[in-house]
Amino acid sequence: GAVVSQHPSRVICKSGTSVKIECRSLDFQATTMFWYRQFPKQSLMLMATSNEGSKATYEQGVEKDKFLINHASLTLSTLTVTSAHPEDSSFYICSARSTTTDYEQYFGPGTRLTVT
Amino acid sequence: GQNIDQPTEMTATEGAIVQINCTYQTSGFNGLFWYQQHAGEAPTFLSYNVLDGLEEKGRFSSFLSRSKGYSYLLLKELQMKDSASYLCAVIRGDYKLSFGAGTTVTVRA
Repeated sequence: GAVVSQHPSRVICKSGTSVKIECRSLDFQATTMFWYRQFPKQSLMLMATSNEGSKATYEQGVEKDKFLINHASLTLSTLTVTSAHPEDSSFYICSARSTTTDYEQYFGPGTRLTVT
Repeated sequence: GQNIDQPTEMTATEGAIVQINCTYQTSGFNGLFWYQQHAGEAPTFLSYNVLDGLEEKGRFSSFLSRSKGYSYLLLKELQMKDSASYLCAVIRGDYKLSFGAGTTVTVRA
């Protein structure tokens, strides 16, 4: 149980285009989903918190107009990187908190984004 | 703000024991997680401590002292597959996780 999927697992896009990453909780309902970014040899940095049916809250320094987050249902959150640039190339990971568990978060497998 | 420190790298021999320390200064502490992460993969859950003391789970144990802002992850009977990055993360009351930079453990034969 408690499986989180991400799609796509890898994506290469050209500079200036937009990319959408999906995060799904497969066997549970997720009250809250979190989006992280991880650069090579660095730790995970929280980008934003996504709650179903409401606007995402972004961490300091993360541009909300560049990283669009939609949490349309209790099992799906999407992150759209708009007008991507090479410096946006990173490993994007989502996690989901179940409506029934306390503090544990379940992580998706991650999406490797490369912007050329 | 959150300040979480852990060593960058550790090396140990197969079959040995390694202890990874983590110190933290944080507001709104609601527990500490340890995760294992292999390169290019997402973190996998190892342990969660919210009360002081030692939690043992097979070859892995985790300890927490809230008064000292200190935790450690103990890996016993090291195996080659344990070579990975180990992340210490603190969770706040708003369910946000703050991660340390990670400790890369290399297990040698």
